[in-house]
Amino acid sequence: GENVEQHPSTLSVQEGDSAVIKCTYSDSASNYFPWYKQELGKRPQLIIDIRSNVGEKKDQRIAVTLNKTAKHFSLHITETQPEDSAVYFCAAGGGADGLTFGKGTHLIIQP
Amino acid sequence: NAGVTQTPKFQVLKTGQSMTLQCAQDMNHEYMSWYRQDPGMGLRLIHYSVGAGITDQGEVPNGYNVSRSTTEDFPLRLLSAAPSQTSVYFCASRRTPGANTGELFFGEGSRLTVL
Repeated sequence: GENVEQHPSTLSVQEGDSAVIKCTYSDSASNYFPWYKQELGKRPQLIIDIRSNVGEKKDQRIAVTLNKTAKHFSLHITETQPEDSAVYFCAAGGGADGLTFGKGTHLIIQP
Repeated sequence: NAGVTQTPKFQVLKTGQSMTLQCAQDMNHEYMSWYRQDPGMGLRLIHYSVGAGITDQGEVPNGYNVSRSTTEDFPLRLLSAAPSQTSVYFCASRRTPGANTGELFFGEGSRLTVL
């Protein structure tokens, strides 16, 4: 089955700086790569996703890049704000059996 | 729409007891699933269903049963609770079964403690 590795497990950045979270996956058949944000005590919510026919996607301060050859994808957050503090999960999938999630990155925005 | 509704939000069980976590969605989604979330382990798939009458196992199915008699409901049953099943459980649904067809909608979660 699919295996998703996510790094780092904790990331602390100064407010206004950029944050980058990286994931690798093992199954070359995976073709869908979403990112979920989970605030403390809340449910995970989708923030951005990318499909394998696209190399990069951007939505305001958030961007995701995908390198299918290397089986890497990354989340980039620019101009970080206090409300960006949360746990972020990457995931990979392609078929009806669902998504495989990474173990999560705790992003801390320092004032 | 209420989205995905889970009950109960909190539950304490003794080892060996059984219980059912309820999940209902009002979005007419074909795909429903159960995940467990443990510290440092991310979200792990327990069971999933691609439509009424169809269920399948995920990554960590042992000790859990599911059924899907209607499109709306997908209960998760713990047959004989063990301390290793202490976790936060999330039900999630998606419009169509394929993983690349868009957003997975999560319920608020059910925190289960097994003593």
